[in-house]
Amino acid sequence: DAGVIQSPRHEVTEMGQEVTLRCKPISGHNSLFWYRQTMMRGLELLIYFNNNVPIDDSGMPEDRFSAKMPNASFSTLKIQPSEPRDSAVYFCASSLGVKGFFGPGTRLTVL
Amino acid sequence: QQQVKQSPQSLIVQKGGIPIINCAYENTAFDYFPWYQQFPGKGPALLIAIRPDVSEKKEGRFTISFNKSAKQFSLHIMDSQPGDSATYFCAASRGGTYKYIFGTGTRLKVLA
Repeated sequence: DAGVIQSPRHEVTEMGQEVTLRCKPISGHNSLFWYRQTMMRGLELLIYFNNNVPIDDSGMPEDRFSAKMPNASFSTLKIQPSEPRDSAVYFCASSLGVKGFFGPGTRLTVL
Repeated sequence: QQQVKQSPQSLIVQKGGIPIINCAYENTAFDYFPWYQQFPGKGPALLIAIRPDVSEKKEGRFTISFNKSAKQFSLHIMDSQPGDSATYFCAASRGGTYKYIFGTGTRLKVLA
């Protein structure tokens, strides 16, 4: 299996622009998570899907962030409009059961 | 109550040493405790995990010790190698949710 696939790996954008991060979970996994990692706040869970349904989005920082999972093999995390404080590494993870497998991450820089 | 407290923040050991990383939690509903290893530029990778019904689990050179009454667990790396140099995160999750609450991470450096 190719593991969790994320794209793009790096994204540089200007403040105010829309950013879309993409994730393909491991085939057969029924849970998908979006995490954000920064030096200041560590690894934070943003949103959690189970069977394509958002279960817990309490970690989404504000309305500028939205996530979708239209099918079992694809999810997006969108930031609109982006701000410099959104600069971080965004990880997607998937699981079947308790073992979570992380993707390589997307490093987002908002200028 | 949702926090997982991890220490130390950083650790330097000589090759062959046994680094120990500690984590503590408050929420007694947590029932799964994994450790993740992260190399620079990579995503965290599951290393080893334990449930509270056992006090110790070993996988290769990695051992988790679990103290349910103290609500603490720790990672021991036996015969540490320079290739073990990475950031280690403990985590906890509550049954059925599979949501991880991560510790703040420990940056380990093993000197050759």
